[in-house]
Amino acid sequence: DSGVTQTPKHLITATGQRVTLRCSPRSGDLSVYWYQQSLDQGLQFLIQYYNGEERAKGNILERFSAQQFPDLHSELNLSSLELGDSALYFCASSKTDYYGYTFGSGTRLTVV
Amino acid sequence: AQTVTQSQPEMSVQEAETVTLSCTYDTSENNYYLFWYKQPPSRQMILVIRQEAYKQQNATENRFSVNFQKAAKSFSLKISDSQLGDTAMYFCAFKGGNTGNQFYFGTGTSLTVIP
Repeated sequence: DSGVTQTPKHLITATGQRVTLRCSPRSGDLSVYWYQQSLDQGLQFLIQYYNGEERAKGNILERFSAQQFPDLHSELNLSSLELGDSALYFCASSKTDYYGYTFGSGTRLTVV
Repeated sequence: AQTVTQSQPEMSVQEAETVTLSCTYDTSENNYYLFWYKQPPSRQMILVIRQEAYKQQNATENRFSVNFQKAAKSFSLKISDSQLGDTAMYFCAFKGGNTGNQFYFGTGTSLTVIP
C-alpha cells in the first residue's frame, strides 16, 4: 500500500456519460497530481493541486475538471466521455520535489 | 518544454544477469531531479531510484544503480543480478527545479527477465 488511495479501481461507462474519480493523498502530502496513461501516449500530465489551489495544468481537456478539497482529497471529473478517454488514470502525491511522486494504484476507465 | 527519451521500447535479460536501460533528457536548467519508476503487471507505479542533478555521485539502491552524465544529459539505470520480479515497464522521469511541479516521463522500456 503506497498510502495514496484511488477509487474506484475499475469503471465501465458509456459514451456521453460523466464519471468522478477520487484520490486521497498520502498523509502529510499537500500536492496531488493527475495523470492519464493510455497505450499509445504514455503518461500524460493532466493537472496539479497544492493545498486546495490549482498549481499547474497540463494536457487536460475542457471536458475534464478537477478539484482538491479542504481535507486534501481530490476528484477528477470526466464528462461527455468518448471512446478515446479509455485509459488508466493515476493520482500521485508528493511531499517535496526530492522524494518524487507516490502513485496510487490507478483507476482503469473503459468507455464503451 | 522538457523532453525525456527512452530509446529502447523493449529489452530482455537472463535471470541473474545485468541489464542497463537508457534515458536521455533535454533541459536548460541546472538544478533538477531525475527518477526511475517501475510499473509491473499490477500497474502500480513504484519509485525505484532518484538522483539530484547537483550531486555528482551516482545513486544506488540495492541492485539498482544509475549512471548520471550531466553534460551528456544521460541517466541510465543498471539492474544487477536481475530477478523475475524485475519484469516490468520502466519509466525515466525528469522534474525541473524551476519549471513548476510537473514530472516529465519517457515512453517507457518494457523489461522481461527470462528464467
